[in-house]
Amino acid sequence: AQTVTQSQPEMSVQEAETVTLSCTYDTSESNYYLFWYKQPPSRQMILVIRQEAYKQQNATENRFSVNFQKAAKSFSLKISDSQLGDTAMYFCAFMNLLNMLTFGGGTRLMVKP
Amino acid sequence: DGGITQSPKYLFRKEGQNVTLSCEQNLNHDAMYWYRQDPGQGLRLIYYSQIVNDFQKGDIAEGYSVSREKKESFPLTVTSAQKNPTAFYLCASSPSGSSYNSPLHFGNGTRLTVT
Repeated sequence: AQTVTQSQPEMSVQEAETVTLSCTYDTSESNYYLFWYKQPPSRQMILVIRQEAYKQQNATENRFSVNFQKAAKSFSLKISDSQLGDTAMYFCAFMNLLNMLTFGGGTRLMVKP
Repeated sequence: DGGITQSPKYLFRKEGQNVTLSCEQNLNHDAMYWYRQDPGQGLRLIYYSQIVNDFQKGDIAEGYSVSREKKESFPLTVTSAQKNPTAFYLCASSPSGSSYNSPLHFGNGTRLTVT
């Protein structure tokens, strides 16, 4: 079974600054997928960014990028130029090749004006 | 537009009653999932189904039941055996095979309160 750990229950950042959310996972599988999901107060789950384990290049989506360290089983999310609309819960998730998605406990991010 | 519809958005029940949460998708996805979310916590898998007429237990299946008679529908029944049923329930779907390029699509959730 896989486990996903997000060690930061809450974080805050000033608008326009950069913040990094941590995620570690444990698995014995060699190929898998990693995701970051955002859950705003509306509670809708929104995909932020994704990474395939066999790709060494870190994924980037506009202001969002990841630092994927496969050997360390670490998958952190960096948000640059933080905006008020980035305020949300952020979940790291691990998906195996059977499409089973395991979530971390979440990090509540508050962007302050 | 394609998507996942969960209804109702809010549901209230008395303790001891069974209640069924609806989840319908028109994305033609083979796989469907039910997750439970408690306040301030992540999502935990209750049940999943990769194909019609087949489903498997997730991490917290006790006290829940599901059916998958149609591709589009995956209703979840919260039975009286579930000790702490009050929670937010999310339904999701994905195409069969690798979901990297088409990761899970989520519904808007149902907030169940049992008193």
